[in-house]
Amino acid sequence: DAKTTQPPSMDCAEGRAANLPCNHSTISGNEYVYWYRQIHSQGPQYIIHGLKNNETNEMASLIITEDRKSSTLILPHATLRDTAVYYCIVSRMDTGRRALTFGSGTRLQVQP
Amino acid sequence: GAVVSQHPSWVICKSGTSVKIECRSLDFQATTMFWYRQFPKQSLMLMATSNEGSKATYEQGVEKDKFLINHASLTLSTLTVTSAHPEDSSFYICSARARRDSRPMNTEAFFGQGTRLTVV
Repeated sequence: DAKTTQPPSMDCAEGRAANLPCNHSTISGNEYVYWYRQIHSQGPQYIIHGLKNNETNEMASLIITEDRKSSTLILPHATLRDTAVYYCIVSRMDTGRRALTFGSGTRLQVQP
Repeated sequence: GAVVSQHPSWVICKSGTSVKIECRSLDFQATTMFWYRQFPKQSLMLMATSNEGSKATYEQGVEKDKFLINHASLTLSTLTVTSAHPEDSSFYICSARARRDSRPMNTEAFFGQGTRLTVV
């Protein structure tokens, strides 16, 4: 799976949009971009994933550049409960036998 | 959505004893489950892949005789930390991938809530 690069930490004001960048310059054509987050002392939680089109769900939006070498996760109105470590992961679609590989992630601190 | 349940959520044990951690897929069948370990302020590191009905596959550097994995059914995998030592104190997390829809390749990874092991 392709390697990803994320800033180690970011701050965001409560109520503002949080934009978390991720570089994945070696991504292959059949690899998806996944975002997970881990709130302190809990297991990771799925947020969103995409291949090349932008995606939106009830939690976040995912913007993928046209060359697919980078992406941005957007939390439109950050709350204190969004404080967590956010992981950008690149992986092929899979029947279920492939584990996800986690990088260092971005520690997002939402400030009141 | 699919749920992965892990038990216990925390455990304290004496050095030299063994601890078993259970991971269950509650509403789907998981032929493959994954075990991760996470030390403070670090990322999740894959320890092993647990395959139903066959031997687990361990990552490099993970002692298979120390971390025993049993995947006896399609909904249960267990990790036993044998002869635990303080350096085994960590946050252990299991995961399984379940289909998002009818397409076999379209799976999503679900994670248990984790088990914090403290060896004293």
